[in-house]
Amino acid sequence: DVKVTQSSRYLVKRTGEKVFLECVQDMDHENMFWYRQDPGLGLRLIYFSYDVKMKEKGDIPEGYSVSREKKERFSLILESASTNQTSMYLCASSNLPGKQETQYFGPGTRLLVL
Amino acid sequence: DAKTTQPPSMDCAEGRAANLPCNHSTISGNEYVYWYRQIHSQGPQYIIHGLKNNETNEMASLIITEDRKSSTLILPHATLRDTAVYYCIVTRSGAGSYQLTFGKGTKLSVIP
Repeated sequence: DVKVTQSSRYLVKRTGEKVFLECVQDMDHENMFWYRQDPGLGLRLIYFSYDVKMKEKGDIPEGYSVSREKKERFSLILESASTNQTSMYLCASSNLPGKQETQYFGPGTRLLVL
Repeated sequence: DAKTTQPPSMDCAEGRAANLPCNHSTISGNEYVYWYRQIHSQGPQYIIHGLKNNETNEMASLIITEDRKSSTLILPHATLRDTAVYYCIVTRSGAGSYQLTFGKGTKLSVIP
């Protein structure tokens, strides 16, 4: 089974802090994704990466950056956390796109910014 | 990506089949139908996907109409652990089509 793990299930940070969210997948997947999920807004894509050291902006990249130094690890960085970044953050991974593509999600990190 | 329409909520008795409908009347010929579910406070879980043929796996069956404008996800013997929000997603797979767009889904409640 594909396993996607996230470093924390719950996190509380203060406004202005730098926050690191880590994601690791164990299936040698090429693609990795970071989403945030908010009530009434569904899942929104922040960034994705289709290879080591490669990254692409999603729909809402402002206030975030990412790092992919190794294939199995994709980090989301909040440079200066703000209260409007309080959310559920979900990491996912998938194989190279071909005829079919399936994304496997981690358990999520609930971030509260005070 | 094509838009999907799902009922906001459904109930199903434990042990009975749960049939979750999805309309995707503007689906294109190269777009797949995917189903995910999200149990409360967890990440979404992939269930099944298909293009035009019916599909079955250990979790569920997917029935796609011949004109591909609608589909039904079938959980053959629903259990309490199947209570979740179920998302029907239509997406074009291939290079550059990385994003999954989740709508509001159907909240399935399995009742003892």
